[in-house]
Amino acid sequence: EPEVTQTPSHQVTQMGQEVILRCVPISNHLYFYWYRQILGQKVEFLVSFYNNEISEKSEIFDDQFSVERPDGSNFTLKIRSTKLEDSAMYFCASSKQTRDTQYFGPGTRLTVL
Amino acid sequence: KQEVTQIPAALSVPEGENLVLNCSFTDSAIYNLQWFRQDPGKGLTSLLLIQSSQREQTSGRLNASLDKSSGRSTLYIAASQPGDSATYLCAVNNNDMRFGAGTRLTVKP
Repeated sequence: EPEVTQTPSHQVTQMGQEVILRCVPISNHLYFYWYRQILGQKVEFLVSFYNNEISEKSEIFDDQFSVERPDGSNFTLKIRSTKLEDSAMYFCASSKQTRDTQYFGPGTRLTVL
Repeated sequence: KQEVTQIPAALSVPEGENLVLNCSFTDSAIYNLQWFRQDPGKGLTSLLLIQSSQREQTSGRLNASLDKSSGRSTLYIAASQPGDSATYLCAVNNNDMRFGAGTRLTVKP
C-alpha cells in the first residue's frame, strides 16, 4: 500500500539555523500539506500546496517558512531561521483531490536547541 | 474561527466493550470530517472520512456519524480490543484542517 514518507525522522539544530524537512507524497496525489504538533498540543495546519502553488496557509506559516516541490516526487518545508518554539513534530500529508482523505507521513521530530 | 472539541479527553474501558467518542465543532460550513488514530510518537492513521453531504461511514468495527447542522460527530467502536488503545483525533476540513485535542483510549485486557 502506498505511503507518505518523511526524512529525517529526527532533526536537531541550533537556533537560527536553516532546516529543510523532506516528504515524498503518494505518487498519484495532487494536493500536499504540512502540519505541526507541538508536544502535548493539537495538530495544527501550516500550509496546503497544489499545482506548484500555495493554496492555503495558516497564521503560523509566516515568512520564515517556505514550501517547494523541487522535482516530481519530493515536497519540502524550509524553516529559514529556526526558533526554540519551532520545536515540534512536523507531518506531511497528501490527498488525491482537495476534499479527499488526507494520508499522513510518520513525521519529523524537530528539536531546536 | 473553527474550534474543534473532543470529549472525553481520556477513556479507559475493559476489552469487549462498545464505546463512543465525541467531537463537536463550531462552524458547520465544512467540506468533510476525518477521524484519525495516533499511536504514541507516531503519525496519524486515517480511519474514516465523512463528506458534508453524508450522515455516516463504516469500516469494520468503526462507525462514524456526522450531524453537520448541530456541529457534532461520533466515532463508535464495537467490541473494543487492546490493540485499539491509541489517541483518536477528529479533524474538520474547510480549506484548512482543524483538529481536536483527541481522546486517549485505553482498552484493558
